[in-house]
Amino acid sequence: GAVVSQHPSWVICKSGTSVKIECRSLDFQATTMFWYRQFPKQSLMLMATSNEGSKATYEQGVEKDKFLINHASLTLSTLTVTSAHPEDSSFYICSARDRGTQRSYNEQFFGPGTRLTVL
Amino acid sequence: KNEVEQSPQNLTAQEGEFITINCSYSVGISALHWLQQHPGGGIVSLFMLSSGKKKHGRLIATINIQEKHSSLHITASHPRDSAVYICAVRFSSGSARQLTFGSGTQLTVLP
Repeated sequence: GAVVSQHPSWVICKSGTSVKIECRSLDFQATTMFWYRQFPKQSLMLMATSNEGSKATYEQGVEKDKFLINHASLTLSTLTVTSAHPEDSSFYICSARDRGTQRSYNEQFFGPGTRLTVL
Repeated sequence: KNEVEQSPQNLTAQEGEFITINCSYSVGISALHWLQQHPGGGIVSLFMLSSGKKKHGRLIATINIQEKHSSLHITASHPRDSAVYICAVRFSSGSARQLTFGSGTQLTVLP
């Protein structure tokens, strides 16, 4: 099956620093990538949708200046948490939608997640 | 309102048992996903369905479009199947780019 990777898998940082998380589709082209956040014992919450070559669409309540998303190519999207605070500590998951093949049209594949801890 | 409901919330089974997890949704969909999330957090996409039935190893997923219901079955369950199983749908109307997630079913398979 298709593979989505995330890097790093976990990160600990000091309050006020910025953290970049990478999401890559390894064996397919993803015109659309999604960024989710998951707090303990809760379901995934969509933060934003990024389309290759255009600005990301943010969900209500998600600060676009705090969570910077760049989808520079068909296989890479990055999420940068700027000036991180302890309340940003969470599990961040990216997901990529296959550009569209007969095999996997409309299918969405998930990355392994990045656990961010802000001290 | 576009909603997804899963049942049960928690399920404990003995190794070898046949397991069923259910997912119901409120309005028409274009696709339904079954996802598995292990304690470490990583999510694995098990199935994507729009109709009928799919099988992969010991896992079977079915969907009934008319009844707006899907089931995930695990045959000959094993402790390594212990995980959270999540149903996610893409509704036909509204924001079709998004998946709407169920609350998940925590499965524990005892040896």
